[in-house]
Amino acid sequence: QKEVEQDPGPLSVPEGAIVSLNCTYSNSAFQYFMWYRQYSRKGPELLMYTYSSGNKEDGRFTAQVDKSSKYISLFIRDSQPSDSATYLCAMKSSAGKSTFGDGTTLTVKP
Amino acid sequence: EAGVAQSPRYKIIEKRQSVAFWCNPISGHATLYWYQQILGQGPKLLIQFQNNGVVDDSQLPKDRFSAERLKGVDSTLKIQPAKLEDSAVYLCASSRQGAGTEAFFGQGTRLTVV
Repeated sequence: QKEVEQDPGPLSVPEGAIVSLNCTYSNSAFQYFMWYRQYSRKGPELLMYTYSSGNKEDGRFTAQVDKSSKYISLFIRDSQPSDSATYLCAMKSSAGKSTFGDGTTLTVKP
Repeated sequence: EAGVAQSPRYKIIEKRQSVAFWCNPISGHATLYWYQQILGQGPKLLIQFQNNGVVDDSQLPKDRFSAERLKGVDSTLKIQPAKLEDSAVYLCASSRQGAGTEAFFGQGTRLTVV
């Protein structure tokens, strides 16, 4: 069993939809939770970075962490065609080693 | 602030040949990572440096992969000899020192082994 499991997708939504991306994890040592966006043939770009349980909002993006359930989510409001990309969740412990999910590919159709 | 620089962007080699990748991290970033990303998968950590010392290389196939970070700045990752299954994107990332710091990625080197 992988330490980080990510909903595989792919996901296709119409422009303006609310998107929900999810990951579960098994390692209780994970303390830091990240979401990266990766466009085709590009490196991952950090979108959201959280430390504790709860919600963190940044524009149209909201990251949610539930440590008791070992579950994290990324919500995208008013999705745009430019949001079409692969979204990777990542987690790390205090030792600093990040473990990534396998990504969910999102397509937002105009 | 300049980002993480990697070269080359693309490389095609035959199996059993050798190849090297170069990474220049963001200025002032003490921690440097090399990841391997196989198509359809998330990045997998190969090696992590703190300045010029190795912090974690538990997933580095040491019989064929090697990496160094001289003077705690630039880094090179080498594969010798390459296998077909090494075809992947090799990503370099850097961060400031500390577990709670964010990592920034370069654009990667896409390696195809034929």
